[in-house]
Amino acid sequence: KAGVTQTPRYLIKTRGQQVTLSCSPISGHRSVSWYQQTPGQGLQFLFEYFSETQRNKGNFPGRFSGRQFSNSRSEMNVSTLELGDSALYLCASSLGQQSREQFFGPGTRLTVL
Amino acid sequence: QQPVQSPQAVILREGEDAVINCSSSKALYSVHWYRQKHGEAPVFLMILLKGGEQKGHDKISASFNEKKQQSSLYLTASQLSYSGTYFCGTESPRPSNFGNEKLTFGTGTRLTIIP
Repeated sequence: KAGVTQTPRYLIKTRGQQVTLSCSPISGHRSVSWYQQTPGQGLQFLFEYFSETQRNKGNFPGRFSGRQFSNSRSEMNVSTLELGDSALYLCASSLGQQSREQFFGPGTRLTVL
Repeated sequence: QQPVQSPQAVILREGEDAVINCSSSKALYSVHWYRQKHGEAPVFLMILLKGGEQKGHDKISASFNEKKQQSSLYLTASQLSYSGTYFCGTESPRPSNFGNEKLTFGTGTRLTIIP
């Protein structure tokens, strides 16, 4: 069974640009969560989607947005990039109902110059 | 607010035991434990639900005291493969029936096992 995949694995952008990251969950998983990981802040929750609906949202500015498609694949978008957005972005998928174990993807390393 | 993990880092010799603590200022429904090796994704270890249960597999176990809003991860007879950063993630009470609730992770405990 294939694991969670994320594309691209590495990205270099400049300030002010926009970026879209993609996450394909494990087959059959309907919940996708996104996290930002930095050395100083650890794992910070961005948002969670279930059946194309955003169910939970973390404390990030509106520049961070996401969506989920009918096949459970999810994308997150960051607009007007800032230097502080440089981080590892992880997505995690889960079965959903009565299952809380999250399976993490390898992440996308975003560097903002 | 992030749960507080302690210690922040620990170095052990192979075969020694370790305890990692996770403490929250908020009421908790569950505590999740993950391990992340350098350059890899976090890997699920276990979930503890309110009720003060204790879980374990192999030589890694954990407890959850919901009254104290604390959880502890116990690693006995540590192996080299246990090295990595351990994160606890906490959930607030009254989760919905579907999907994941918001997980709030601690800043991690870096465990280094030396031969």
